[in-house]
Amino acid sequence: GPKVLQIPSHQIIDMGQMVTLNCDPVSNHLYFYWYKQILGQQMEFLVNFYNGKVMEKSKLFKDQFSVERPDGSYFTLKIQPTALEDSAVYFCASSLLGAHEQYFGPGTRLTVL
Amino acid sequence: GQQVQQSPASLVLQEGENAELQCNFSSTATQLQWFYQSPGGSLVSLLSNPSGTKHTGRLTSTTVTKERRSSLHISSSQTTDSGTYLCAIEPNSAGNKLTFGIGTRVLVRP
Repeated sequence: GPKVLQIPSHQIIDMGQMVTLNCDPVSNHLYFYWYKQILGQQMEFLVNFYNGKVMEKSKLFKDQFSVERPDGSYFTLKIQPTALEDSAVYFCASSLLGAHEQYFGPGTRLTVL
Repeated sequence: GQQVQQSPASLVLQEGENAELQCNFSSTATQLQWFYQSPGGSLVSLLSNPSGTKHTGRLTSTTVTKERRSSLHISSSQTTDSGTYLCAIEPNSAGNKLTFGIGTRVLVRP
């Protein structure tokens, strides 16, 4: 079936550094999402993105977070600066349209030291 | 309150047994998906089933939209079915985002 790819699979960085998580969504999909899952906890919505704009973000999407998809390339989540509480697995997803099935990537495990 | 409630919280099966997992949600939903999360954390979409009954392999999902509930039936369980099963909905009123339950942790013993 359709696949979403995420790069890297793991990232370890020092607190205060910048990190960019990359997502390669399904090629004809128009909606993109980031979700966050802290180890052992519930998966939570961060942000969705359509037509070059953030449509909705949750309270977890702090000011240090930003997303973009320049020229149809990777859909990225940037955290600058990182904090210890940003350690989690970040899942990217895409869907053809809103209210359609979302396809998830394998996740990027981010560890902030 | 929690929008997506899953039961049971955990389940232990003997290989070959069947299981039924429940998902109840507090708001009407335009989308409902069942996921499998492996012990290592990777996520696999099993079924998209906002209404009616769907089958894939040994899995059957039945969603009764107006009663705000869905079930996932696993038949002839295998040890490789061990992991966490997540139910997620896209509420009508909440835009394009999935709200996840905490999951049902399944352990299948050989």
